[in-house]
Amino acid sequence: SQTIHQWPATLVQPVGSPLSLECTVEGTSNPNLYWYRQAAGRGLQLLFYSVGIGQISSEVPQNLSASRPQDRQFILSSKKLLLSDSGFYLCAWSPTGGHYNSPLHFGNGTRLTVT
Amino acid sequence: EDKVVQSPLSLVVHEGDTVTLNCSYEVTNFRSLLWYKQEKKAPTFLFMLTSSGIEKKSGRLSSILDKKELFSILNITATQTGDSAVYLCAVALGGYGNKLVFGAGTILRVKS
Repeated sequence: SQTIHQWPATLVQPVGSPLSLECTVEGTSNPNLYWYRQAAGRGLQLLFYSVGIGQISSEVPQNLSASRPQDRQFILSSKKLLLSDSGFYLCAWSPTGGHYNSPLHFGNGTRLTVT
Repeated sequence: EDKVVQSPLSLVVHEGDTVTLNCSYEVTNFRSLLWYKQEKKAPTFLFMLTSSGIEKKSGRLSSILDKKELFSILNITATQTGDSAVYLCAVALGGYGNKLVFGAGTILRVKS
């Protein structure tokens, strides 16, 4: 069966510091991968998605970037964090190919607080 | 702009009550509508609806989609304290990437 791992679970970083959040998926190959952010009291906002190695699509202009160095690894980064980057970051995956109409499956998230 | 709106934003009920959560949407390229339950961390998948009028059911939870009126409801009967969670509605968009647009969620609290 497929599993998704996301770490760290919580992170407190000062303004201006770099960020690296990692997500890996096991038990499947060539998944679609996603980064979402959830602000308090709000829904999930899609930040980035990837349909393959090195293929990144950005949904909103922001201080963050994403990379997919391996098939089942998705990384969210920032060179200099802003206070507004605080939030709950969720990684998700879905199958590709003939399973295009499939739900997304989420990791347990990273709660980021920028101080 | 693609939009998903959920109502109510929050509600408090007593164990045994029946609740109905609402989700309306305006999107340019609809593929399906999904419901998720989020307790503390990862949203967990409940239902995917693609056709109007066909009820999906799982235990005490059920959901139906109306593609003409652009809305869906999630019903929970005989609520239990374990149903307390945020319920998220999302619309999957057609086209590249299998992207989901989420509503803000409904916070449900079931009191014993």
